[in-house]
Amino acid sequence: DQQVKQNSPSLSVQEGRISILNCDYTNSMFDYFLWYKKYPAEGPTFLISISSIKDKNEDGRFTVFLNKSAKHLSLHIVPSQPGDSAVYFCAASLGAGTASKLTFGTGTRLQVTL
Amino acid sequence: SAVISQKPSRDICQRGTSLTIQCQVDSQVTMMFWYRQQPGQSLTLIATANQGSEATYESGFVIDKFPISRPNLTFSTLTVSNMSPEDSSIYLCSVGGGGTQYFGAGTRLSVL
Repeated sequence: DQQVKQNSPSLSVQEGRISILNCDYTNSMFDYFLWYKKYPAEGPTFLISISSIKDKNEDGRFTVFLNKSAKHLSLHIVPSQPGDSAVYFCAASLGAGTASKLTFGTGTRLQVTL
Repeated sequence: SAVISQKPSRDICQRGTSLTIQCQVDSQVTMMFWYRQQPGQSLTLIATANQGSEATYESGFVIDKFPISRPNLTFSTLTVSNMSPEDSSIYLCSVGGGGTQYFGAGTRLSVL
């Protein structure tokens, strides 16, 4: 049972435009959500996170939105840059502690074109 | 953030053999995690390794197949035993910190 889902395996966006990556989850007990970026031959790199007590968290060009009632979160990248081309994973956990197990989605491959 | 080194970065192995993957962290950490990413799949947690105690395995993973060592607060190993082609995956270690987890570059394993 896939508790965290990313239904779009790929996304292509023009440079300078907004990239919106989506993630849905089924377990209502999840209360902490993260986005990771992964380049080929590298490990996932933490991007941004959000606690379930918030509905938005912003860090530079990256904003994560959380809709708890819909069990949906999204990552907005504005403006998109060619260096943003990577695979993006959303992840969810029970709590934000360092011992929290992360449940990952299958990833969305973002291609930012010139 | 933590700097995590994994060895080897990739390997090609014959079925029936075993491979030990090493994970070194640049700071002392209580818990280390081992994940697997099968082709086209998400990252799946194999086990959590505490220093000084036995690792805790997730459903579907057993110690006989994936024995883990955690001899000190900066190092861990994961062994993939009696390998079959289905074990072909990327194996990643991670450590927790600051409400998130930091990952090594992973070990890309191909089993023939």
